[in-house]
Amino acid sequence: GIQVEQSPPDLILQEGANSTLRCNFSDSVNNLQWFHQNPWGQLINLFYIPSGTKQNGRLSATTVATERYSLLYISSSQTTDSGVYFCAVEPFRGSQGNLIFGKGTKLSVKP
Amino acid sequence: NAGVTQTPKFQVLKTGQSMTLQCAQDMNHEYMSWYRQDPGMGLRLIHYSVGAGITDQGEVPNGYNVSRSTTEDFPLRLLSAAPSQTSVYFCASSRGYEAFFGQGTRLTVV
Repeated sequence: GIQVEQSPPDLILQEGANSTLRCNFSDSVNNLQWFHQNPWGQLINLFYIPSGTKQNGRLSATTVATERYSLLYISSSQTTDSGVYFCAVEPFRGSQGNLIFGKGTKLSVKP
Repeated sequence: NAGVTQTPKFQVLKTGQSMTLQCAQDMNHEYMSWYRQDPGMGLRLIHYSVGAGITDQGEVPNGYNVSRSTTEDFPLRLLSAAPSQTSVYFCASSRGYEAFFGQGTRLTVV
């Protein structure tokens, strides 16, 4: 089946720094989403981005489907950005509505 | 508009007990699915449904049953709980595009 790899696995930043998280996937996808899991365990939708670029405040994401990767940019990081960031894909040959998750990037933002 | 609602939020079971995790959505989504999250493993698909009356197995289905009698509800049943089923369980729904997740159920089997 499709493989989803996220890097780096862990990231420690000082407040105000910028960062880039990467998601590589091994096959074509219909759907790609980025989630933030906060320290209380809640999964928060960040972007639905099967291709192209989107921005939402200090966060932006780019997916290059032909090259099978997606990037999540966090600018001017804040302590509230801490948590785990997951990339999840719906394989092109899979069932609709079902996502394959990467193992996540754990982000810690220090004040 | 509540989105995806899971109950209970926390549960402790003894080995061999059975229970049902409830999931309900009010967005009229066709697709619903259950995932489990274990440390360092990301989320893995247990069972899914593409509509009322239709269910199928995901990556880790053993020990779990599902049914979908209505569009809104998708309960997950543990038939005989085992310590290996200690995990955080998430329910999700979608129309085939953006997926929305419930707040999770933290289950401990002792």
